[in-house]
Amino acid sequence: DIQMTQSPSSVSASVGDRVTITCRASQAISSYLAWFQQKPGKAPKLLIYGASSLQSGVPSRFSGSGYGTDFTLTISSLQPEDFASYYCQQVNSFPYTFGQGTKLEIK
Amino acid sequence: QVTLRESGPALVKPTQTLTLTCTFSGFSLSTNAMSMSWIRQPPGKALEWLAHIDWDDNTYYSTSLKTRLTISKDTSKNQVVLKMTNMDPVDTGTYYCARAVAGRKIDYWGQGTLVTVSS
Repeated sequence: DIQMTQSPSSVSASVGDRVTITCRASQAISSYLAWFQQKPGKAPKLLIYGASSLQSGVPSRFSGSGYGTDFTLTISSLQPEDFASYYCQQVNSFPYTFGQGTKLEIK
Repeated sequence: QVTLRESGPALVKPTQTLTLTCTFSGFSLSTNAMSMSWIRQPPGKALEWLAHIDWDDNTYYSTSLKTRLTISKDTSKNQVVLKMTNMDPVDTGTYYCARAVAGRKIDYWGQGTLVTVSS
């Protein structure tokens, strides 16, 4: 199975800050990576697919990059509604696997 | 619009078999490139991918759980069913179904259903 490792596991930031979350795959996955946002008690929401494609309706302050084994999710200017947990998922090969998550908290 | 809803028992006993149903609308699983996944999340923990079924009935399973899982679909009812045998308290969590386009873009999720395993 492909292991996905996210860092950091938690981060504190302020409104307006720029935040970057990284995800590393244990083997190359081309650009087959997605990012999800999850708020407490809610289902995950797709933010980015294909490593860098913004899902329809997602604000442009979210962006993704990377290829192969190393990927990043960047939030350019944090808004109050962005404080949540974030997960990466590889969809290169089955079984699909998720990272362990990053909790983004208010400083 | 696309909607998905999970249903099933909220409480199961250890060793029992869990059967969850995902009922969806707004698309057809008989359409080329449509597929469905099941994903779960223990309380306070990370997401875990469980199983996947394609429009053409190809199925895929979590390596660690594959001996316990069966995924199937009923295209006429717009339903996908997940069965998990020999339930254990560690299987407690919220179970989600989600739509995948071209097998790789998981774009719509159900609200999730909480399953507790306890005697």
